Amino acid sequence: QKEVEQNSGPLSVPEGAIASLNCTYSDRGSQSFFWYRQYSGKSPELIMSIYSNGDKEDGRFTAQLNKASQYVSLLIRDSQPSDSATYLCAVNSGTYKYIFGTGTRLKVLA
Amino acid sequence: DAGITQSPRHKVTETGTPVTLRCHQTENHRYMYWYRQDPGHGLRLIHYSYGVKDTDKGEVSDGYSVSRSKTEDFLLTLESATSSQTSVYFCAISAPGGEQYFGPGTRLTVT
Repeated sequence: QKEVEQNSGPLSVPEGAIASLNCTYSDRGSQSFFWYRQYSGKSPELIMSIYSNGDKEDGRFTAQLNKASQYVSLLIRDSQPSDSATYLCAVNSGTYKYIFGTGTRLKVLA
Repeated sequence: DAGITQSPRHKVTETGTPVTLRCHQTENHRYMYWYRQDPGHGLRLIHYSYGVKDTDKGEVSDGYSVSRSKTEDFLLTLESATSSQTSVYFCAISAPGGEQYFGPGTRLTVT
């Protein structure tokens, strides 16, 4: 069974701090990795995609991928209360099927 | 906004009744998906489609069927609804780069 693991949280950080969210996956053949943000009662919204080892930055968000260690992380700099949400990690192994983690709940404290 | 709509957005139905949920996209993407989301389980794939009349099962397909007669529409049918199918259902499309985009969701309650 291919799995994607995330700490459910909640992860609480003060406003302005860096929030670090982590995700591990079991399928070494995974090729594409995605982070979604989901506000309560809403649908998942794509934040970042990453396909190769290293860092990818987009505004306040940085995705980090380490295929050898089978983990992907998301850093949120200058965290804002509006960043409070559940963050989902998703992994694709090239078969057009995606495996999602159960999400990490982030709380940014004003 | 990936141009995905779902209908209905909310539905309450009784055990044993058939239910059909509709997903409509305006982007002409080939791949479409139905997921359910439940506390503690995350998003789980029910069925997906890789073209008109081409569908395949996901990890939780029992009790569900799908149809895709047009590129833009993907229907999910619960043949005989059960209380275990109370959930939030999301439709998604897969863009050519691999990113998935989700519809607004349908909250289904089976009493």
